[in-house]
Amino acid sequence: NAGVTQTPKFQVLKTGQSMTLQCAQDMNHEYMSWYRQDPGMGLRLIHYSVGAGITDQGEVPNGYNVSRSTTEDFPLRLLSAAPSQTSVYFCASRRTTVPMWDYGYTFGSGTRLTVV
Amino acid sequence: DAKTTQPNSMESNEEEPVHLPCNHSTISGTDYIHWYRQLPSQGPEYVIHGLTSNVNNRMASLAIAEDRKSSTLILHRATLRDAAVYYCILRDGRGGATNKLIFGTGTLLAVQP
Repeated sequence: NAGVTQTPKFQVLKTGQSMTLQCAQDMNHEYMSWYRQDPGMGLRLIHYSVGAGITDQGEVPNGYNVSRSTTEDFPLRLLSAAPSQTSVYFCASRRTTVPMWDYGYTFGSGTRLTVV
Repeated sequence: DAKTTQPNSMESNEEEPVHLPCNHSTISGTDYIHWYRQLPSQGPEYVIHGLTSNVNNRMASLAIAEDRKSSTLILHRATLRDAAVYYCILRDGRGGATNKLIFGTGTLLAVQP
């Protein structure tokens, strides 16, 4: 049971390049989400998904696309990277078919992205 | 989403109890109180959550005020490994799947040997 796996751990992009951050979970969690964390700030929600085929925007969705074709995977795409997207990105998942008092969110270890 | 207020930082000595406060005066009746922590260079980690009654687990205890306008995360014996940023978050229990986890800036806990 690996939990939430994020790849790559580190990435440097040039402005205008595109890339996909990968997130996979093996816990059969229905809910998956992406956050970004900038220095001195808390985590901000980018996009989330409540199940395969369903996605929605969070607080800071601009510049990012997501899709959810399977329960296990929730990739985050940067179509044209900008220096303002330099950040640490975290993926998180949670079961939704149990009462709230049972489970918290499981986070990945993060992807540190630098856009130059 | 209802807001929480936490001190920016706190210090503790190793092997002593730590009480991390959180104010949430605008909490609604359906808001659960969640605590997460983030160790250096890691993703956040679930600690505990509750609604009205005090809660205990292997990591910590959560004491919730009777009016629910404040709560306290209690680490019974701080260790150096407990040095982290602790986030107090309110999450509406209605609607289940679509409710989001919104982070503030948290409390940076330093543990001195």
